[in-house]
Amino acid sequence: DAGVIQSPRHEVTEMGQEVTLRCKPISGHDYLFWYRQTMMRGLELLIYFNNNVPIDDSGMPEDRFSAKMPNASFSTLKIQPSEPRDSAVYFCASSFGGSSSPLHFGNGTRLTVT
Amino acid sequence: QQQVKQSPQSLIVQKGGIPIINCAYENTAFDYFPWYQQFPGKGPALLIAIRPDVSEKKEGRFTISFNKSAKQFSLHIMDSQPGDSATYFCAARLKAAGNKLTFGGGTRVLVKP
Repeated sequence: DAGVIQSPRHEVTEMGQEVTLRCKPISGHDYLFWYRQTMMRGLELLIYFNNNVPIDDSGMPEDRFSAKMPNASFSTLKIQPSEPRDSAVYFCASSFGGSSSPLHFGNGTRLTVT
Repeated sequence: QQQVKQSPQSLIVQKGGIPIINCAYENTAFDYFPWYQQFPGKGPALLIAIRPDVSEKKEGRFTISFNKSAKQFSLHIMDSQPGDSATYFCAARLKAAGNKLTFGGGTRVLVKP
Protein backbone atom coordinates (compact mmCIF):
# COMPACT_ATOMS: atom_id res chain seq x y z
CA ASP A 1 0.00 0.00 0.00
CA ALA A 2 1.29 3.45 -0.85
CA GLY A 3 0.15 4.92 2.43
CA VAL A 4 -1.70 8.20 2.84
CA ILE A 5 -0.94 10.46 -0.10
CA GLN A 6 -1.05 14.23 0.21
CA SER A 7 -0.62 16.87 -2.44
CA PRO A 8 1.00 19.21 -2.99
CA ARG A 9 4.05 18.69 -0.74
CA HIS A 10 4.74 22.40 -0.73
CA GLU A 11 2.48 25.34 -1.43
CA VAL A 12 3.48 28.98 -1.47
CA THR A 13 0.73 31.49 -1.99
CA GLU A 14 -0.07 35.12 -1.40
CA MET A 15 -2.38 36.38 1.26
CA GLY A 16 -5.97 36.40 0.09
CA GLN A 17 -5.60 33.52 -2.34
CA GLU A 18 -7.55 30.29 -2.13
CA VAL A 19 -5.58 27.19 -1.17
CA THR A 20 -6.72 23.59 -1.62
CA LEU A 21 -4.91 20.70 0.01
CA ARG A 22 -5.64 17.16 -1.09
CA CYS A 23 -5.54 13.77 0.59
CA LYS A 24 -5.97 10.18 -0.51
CA PRO A 25 -6.39 7.90 2.51
CA ILE A 26 -5.33 4.27 2.70
CA SER A 27 -7.83 2.07 0.91
CA GLY A 28 -10.30 0.52 3.33
CA HIS A 29 -9.77 3.03 6.10
CA ASP A 30 -12.99 4.55 7.38
CA TYR A 31 -11.63 7.44 9.44
CA LEU A 32 -9.88 10.48 8.01
CA PHE A 33 -8.30 13.28 10.02
CA TRP A 34 -6.84 16.66 9.13
CA TYR A 35 -4.16 18.00 11.50
CA ARG A 36 -2.16 21.21 11.46
CA GLN A 37 1.36 21.38 12.89
CA THR A 38 3.12 24.56 13.98
CA MET A 39 6.00 25.23 16.33
CA MET A 40 3.79 27.26 18.63
CA ARG A 41 0.73 25.01 18.82
CA GLY A 42 2.07 21.57 17.97
CA LEU A 43 -0.30 19.09 16.33
CA GLU A 44 -3.88 20.34 16.29
CA LEU A 45 -6.83 18.31 15.06
CA LEU A 46 -8.86 20.39 12.65
CA ILE A 47 -11.60 17.98 11.59
CA TYR A 48 -12.26 14.29 11.20
CA PHE A 49 -14.58 12.16 9.10
CA ASN A 50 -16.05 8.72 9.60
CA ASN A 51 -17.35 6.98 6.49
CA ASN A 52 -17.06 10.28 4.60
CA VAL A 53 -19.25 12.13 7.11
CA PRO A 54 -17.73 15.00 9.16
CA ILE A 55 -17.94 14.05 12.82
CA ASP A 56 -16.10 16.80 14.64
CA ASP A 57 -15.02 20.09 13.11
CA SER A 58 -14.55 21.94 16.39
CA GLY A 59 -10.86 22.41 15.62
CA MET A 60 -11.42 24.31 12.40
CA PRO A 61 -10.05 27.79 13.16
CA GLU A 62 -12.71 29.85 11.44
CA ASP A 63 -15.04 30.04 8.50
CA ARG A 64 -12.15 30.50 6.12
CA PHE A 65 -11.43 26.80 6.52
CA SER A 66 -13.58 24.08 5.01
CA ALA A 67 -13.11 20.37 4.43
CA LYS A 68 -14.91 17.86 2.27
CA MET A 69 -14.81 14.15 1.70
CA PRO A 70 -16.85 13.41 -1.41
CA ASN A 71 -15.91 9.72 -1.39
CA ALA A 72 -13.91 7.18 0.57
CA SER A 73 -10.74 7.81 -1.39
CA PHE A 74 -10.45 11.59 -1.44
CA SER A 75 -10.62 14.58 0.86
CA THR A 76 -9.82 18.26 0.52
CA LEU A 77 -9.04 21.03 2.98
CA LYS A 78 -9.66 24.50 1.60
CA ILE A 79 -8.59 27.85 2.97
CA GLN A 80 -10.26 30.90 1.46
CA PRO A 81 -8.96 33.55 1.80
CA SER A 82 -5.56 32.49 3.10
CA GLU A 83 -3.65 34.56 5.68
CA PRO A 84 0.03 34.49 6.76
CA ARG A 85 -0.96 32.95 10.12
CA ASP A 86 -2.23 29.89 8.23
CA SER A 87 1.36 29.01 7.38
CA ALA A 88 1.96 25.53 8.81
CA VAL A 89 2.36 21.89 7.85
CA TYR A 90 -0.99 20.25 7.26
CA PHE A 91 -1.26 16.52 7.76
CA CYS A 92 -3.90 14.10 6.67
CA ALA A 93 -4.20 10.79 8.52
CA SER A 94 -6.44 7.78 8.17
CA SER A 95 -7.28 4.76 10.30
CA PHE A 96 -9.44 1.70 10.20
CA GLY A 97 -12.01 1.35 12.93
CA GLY A 98 -12.86 3.57 15.88
CA SER A 99 -10.95 1.78 18.58
CA SER A 100 -7.22 1.82 19.20
CA SER A 101 -6.20 1.40 15.59
CA PRO A 102 -3.17 3.52 14.72
CA LEU A 103 -3.37 6.68 12.70
CA HIS A 104 -1.42 6.54 9.45
CA PHE A 105 -0.17 9.99 8.54
CA GLY A 106 0.76 11.33 5.15
CA ASN A 107 3.97 13.31 4.70
CA GLY A 108 2.14 16.60 4.95
CA THR A 109 1.74 19.76 2.92
CA ARG A 110 3.95 22.66 3.94
CA LEU A 111 1.92 25.82 3.36
CA THR A 112 3.53 29.23 3.26
CA VAL A 113 1.30 32.27 2.92
CA THR A 114 3.18 35.49 2.18
CA GLN B 1 -9.21 18.81 30.58
CA GLN B 2 -8.42 17.76 27.03
CA GLN B 3 -4.78 18.77 27.32
CA VAL B 4 -1.77 16.52 27.36
CA LYS B 5 1.36 18.22 28.68
CA GLN B 6 4.69 16.93 27.46
CA SER B 7 8.21 17.65 28.69
CA PRO B 8 10.97 18.41 27.97
CA GLN B 9 10.71 20.26 24.66
CA SER B 10 14.12 19.00 23.62
CA LEU B 11 16.69 16.50 24.78
CA ILE B 12 20.27 15.72 23.84
CA VAL B 13 21.92 12.46 24.86
CA GLN B 14 25.00 10.51 23.89
CA LYS B 15 24.68 7.25 22.04
CA GLY B 16 23.75 4.53 24.50
CA GLY B 17 22.05 6.97 26.86
CA ILE B 18 18.41 6.74 27.93
CA PRO B 19 16.30 9.72 26.93
CA ILE B 20 13.14 9.97 29.02
CA ILE B 21 10.09 11.91 27.90
CA ASN B 22 7.25 12.66 30.27
CA CYS B 23 3.57 13.36 29.72
CA ALA B 24 0.77 14.32 32.08
CA TYR B 25 -2.96 14.50 31.62
CA GLU B 26 -6.00 15.59 33.61
CA ASN B 27 -8.95 13.80 32.07
CA THR B 28 -9.37 10.37 33.64
CA ALA B 29 -11.66 9.38 30.78
CA PHE B 30 -8.66 9.02 28.45
CA ASP B 31 -8.37 5.31 27.73
CA TYR B 32 -5.51 4.84 25.29
CA PHE B 33 -2.07 6.44 25.21
CA PRO B 34 0.05 6.10 22.06
CA TRP B 35 3.47 7.54 21.27
CA TYR B 36 4.30 8.74 17.81
CA GLN B 37 7.73 9.27 16.25
CA GLN B 38 8.30 11.88 13.58
CA PHE B 39 11.35 12.32 11.35
CA PRO B 40 11.99 15.58 9.48
CA GLY B 41 9.82 15.92 6.40
CA LYS B 42 7.65 12.98 7.37
CA GLY B 43 4.36 12.49 9.13
CA PRO B 44 4.24 11.02 12.64
CA ALA B 45 4.18 7.24 12.87
CA LEU B 46 2.92 5.07 15.72
CA LEU B 47 5.79 3.81 17.88
CA ILE B 48 4.19 2.14 20.88
CA ALA B 49 0.96 2.44 22.87
CA ILE B 50 -0.43 1.53 26.27
CA ARG B 51 -3.76 1.29 28.06
CA PRO B 52 -4.22 2.57 31.63
CA ASP B 53 -4.70 -0.91 33.10
CA VAL B 54 -1.05 -1.72 32.32
CA SER B 55 1.86 -0.14 34.19
CA GLU B 56 4.59 -0.87 31.67
CA LYS B 57 4.98 -1.95 28.08
CA LYS B 58 8.15 -2.73 26.16
CA GLU B 59 8.70 -3.00 22.44
CA GLY B 60 12.31 -3.46 21.51
CA ARG B 61 14.31 -0.58 22.98
CA PHE B 62 11.21 1.51 23.69
CA THR B 63 9.40 1.31 27.03
CA ILE B 64 6.30 3.11 28.26
CA SER B 65 5.80 3.50 31.99
CA PHE B 66 2.30 4.40 33.12
CA ASN B 67 1.26 5.79 36.51
CA LYS B 68 -2.51 5.90 36.60
CA SER B 69 -2.82 7.49 40.05
CA ALA B 70 -0.47 10.31 39.11
CA LYS B 71 -1.99 10.63 35.63
CA GLN B 72 1.44 10.52 34.09
CA PHE B 73 3.21 8.35 31.55
CA SER B 74 6.67 8.35 30.08
CA LEU B 75 8.71 6.99 27.20
CA HIS B 76 12.20 5.57 27.74
CA ILE B 77 14.52 4.83 24.83
CA MET B 78 17.02 2.24 25.98
CA ASP B 79 20.50 2.13 24.41
CA SER B 80 19.63 5.11 22.22
CA GLN B 81 21.12 5.33 18.74
CA PRO B 82 21.68 8.28 16.39
CA GLY B 83 18.88 6.87 14.23
CA ASP B 84 16.48 7.51 17.11
CA SER B 85 16.96 11.25 16.64
CA ALA B 86 13.45 12.47 15.94
CA THR B 87 10.53 14.32 17.48
CA TYR B 88 8.37 12.25 19.80
CA PHE B 89 4.75 12.96 20.60
CA CYS B 90 2.65 11.46 23.33
CA ALA B 91 -1.09 11.39 22.81
CA ALA B 92 -4.29 10.41 24.54
CA ARG B 93 -7.62 9.24 23.27
CA LEU B 94 -11.03 9.98 24.73
CA LYS B 95 -13.12 6.94 23.93
CA ALA B 96 -16.33 8.95 23.86
CA ALA B 97 -14.82 11.09 21.11
CA GLY B 98 -14.23 8.16 18.74
CA ASN B 99 -10.69 7.77 17.48
CA LYS B 100 -9.80 11.40 18.10
CA LEU B 101 -6.32 11.88 19.60
CA THR B 102 -5.04 14.82 21.62
CA PHE B 103 -1.30 15.23 21.18
CA GLY B 104 1.32 16.59 23.53
CA GLY B 105 3.57 19.39 22.34
CA GLY B 106 6.39 17.11 21.20
CA THR B 107 9.98 16.48 22.31
CA ARG B 108 12.87 16.81 19.91
CA VAL B 109 15.46 14.16 20.76
CA LEU B 110 19.01 14.29 19.46
CA VAL B 111 21.26 11.30 20.01
CA LYS B 112 24.91 12.18 19.47
CA PRO B 113 27.26 9.52 18.12
